[in-house]
Amino acid sequence: QLLLQESGPGLVKPSETLSLTCTVSGGSLTSSLYYWGWIRQTPGKGLEWIGGVSYTGTAYYNPSLESRVTISIDTSRSHFSLRLSSVVAADTAVYFCARENAGYEVDSWGQGILVTVS
Amino acid sequence: QSALTQPPSASGSPGQSVTIFCTGTNNDVGSYDYVSWYQQHPGKAPRLLIYEVTERPSGVPDRFSGSKSGNTASLTVSGLQADDEADYFCSSYAGYNNLLFGGGTKLTVL
Repeated sequence: QLLLQESGPGLVKPSETLSLTCTVSGGSLTSSLYYWGWIRQTPGKGLEWIGGVSYTGTAYYNPSLESRVTISIDTSRSHFSLRLSSVVAADTAVYFCARENAGYEVDSWGQGILVTVS
Repeated sequence: QSALTQPPSASGSPGQSVTIFCTGTNNDVGSYDYVSWYQQHPGKAPRLLIYEVTERPSGVPDRFSGSKSGNTASLTVSGLQADDEADYFCSSYAGYNNLLFGGGTKLTVL
């Protein structure tokens, strides 16, 4: 069974960089069938796709966040990571790591991690 | 680009059917058959219910069904059960490896 687990600080200061890691177990990161991505959720704005990365390291980002986001992958360590720079209070959210399938559906989700910018 | 539009709430009695709509544009829902639906209970991660407009992953009851017409997709929940009370989100591919989500609909089972 595929398991995804987010980790990282739960509190980040404004203007600093948010960094999260997603560790994957029970499956391989090296399949060409999937993208590995990040999605966040705020009470007011619902779900927001941040971006995703393939096993080769090719990444795609939400245009509204692209200037501040980097998603990378380390298949040898079975994890992928999110960096969001210059954070503001509006970046406070629950961040989910996820697996995105060929039909652009998200078929596996981590449990989510709350990150507060303050 | 804007999020997909969903009604904030919907409701139905046990055993009834409820349909939730998700409206996009001809740049997303209207152009691609890559619409998905998710169910989320409080404090939990979303669960995939429907993908590619009408397909159900294994383990999802056939009480959940999806369809699409033009720029609007819909999710129908038949034979409502108490455990169906949750938030429901739609998503659509929007080109250039971009994914849009709806704002979510809170389904109440009366």
